[in-house]
Amino acid sequence: EAQVTQNPRYLITVTGKKLTVTCSQNMNHEYMSWYRQDPGLGLRQIYYSMNVEVTDKGDVPEGYKVSRKEKRNFPLILESPSPNQTSLYFCASARLNEKLFFGSGTQLSVL
Amino acid sequence: AQSVTQPDIHITVSEGASLELRCNYSYGATPYLFWYVQSPGQGLQLLLKYFSGDTLVQGIKGFEAEFKRSQSSFNLRKPSVHWSDAAEYFCAVGAGGNKLVFGAGTILRVKS
Repeated sequence: EAQVTQNPRYLITVTGKKLTVTCSQNMNHEYMSWYRQDPGLGLRQIYYSMNVEVTDKGDVPEGYKVSRKEKRNFPLILESPSPNQTSLYFCASARLNEKLFFGSGTQLSVL
Repeated sequence: AQSVTQPDIHITVSEGASLELRCNYSYGATPYLFWYVQSPGQGLQLLLKYFSGDTLVQGIKGFEAEFKRSQSSFNLRKPSVHWSDAAEYFCAVGAGGNKLVFGAGTILRVKS
């Protein structure tokens, strides 16, 4: 089954403790992206990648890192999480210039 | 810069009644427009999209949307709402390549 898989679904952590949210897709898509969703703000793009080893900032990249060492994986890294990064995170993938497929989301709480 | 405005944060309709969710966009060129639905605890599901051609677009689950260039609008409609349509709905505009710019969302409540 074609899908975008994010892990974990839920994560509670404390300020400053490094964490990684994984994202994997099995559709051989070139494009992958991370969004965060906050009430009243909709979804905002954090980072995106057009292909392996090619990443770029979205609209709200501060406090986040990504890597794209393999085509199928696009992890989101929070080196030193802060409470304002408490949010619902979505990974998405697509063929270039085609529709996005979204993962089921990761609810992150930073205490 | 591209932007999307969904003026209604919450809408409540009775089951069986018609529905219209409003969406206005700002984009310099011909827009690619999308409507997504997010059920509680779920990811985003694409309802429909407009790229070009016929301005009335049919989607899944009985939804349709009409692109009106003169009003910069892409409103979502359904003739008869079902309780299972209760969810949050997002309008989005393509911002070049695969990037989407989303509106803030409209939460739909359905009362029986």
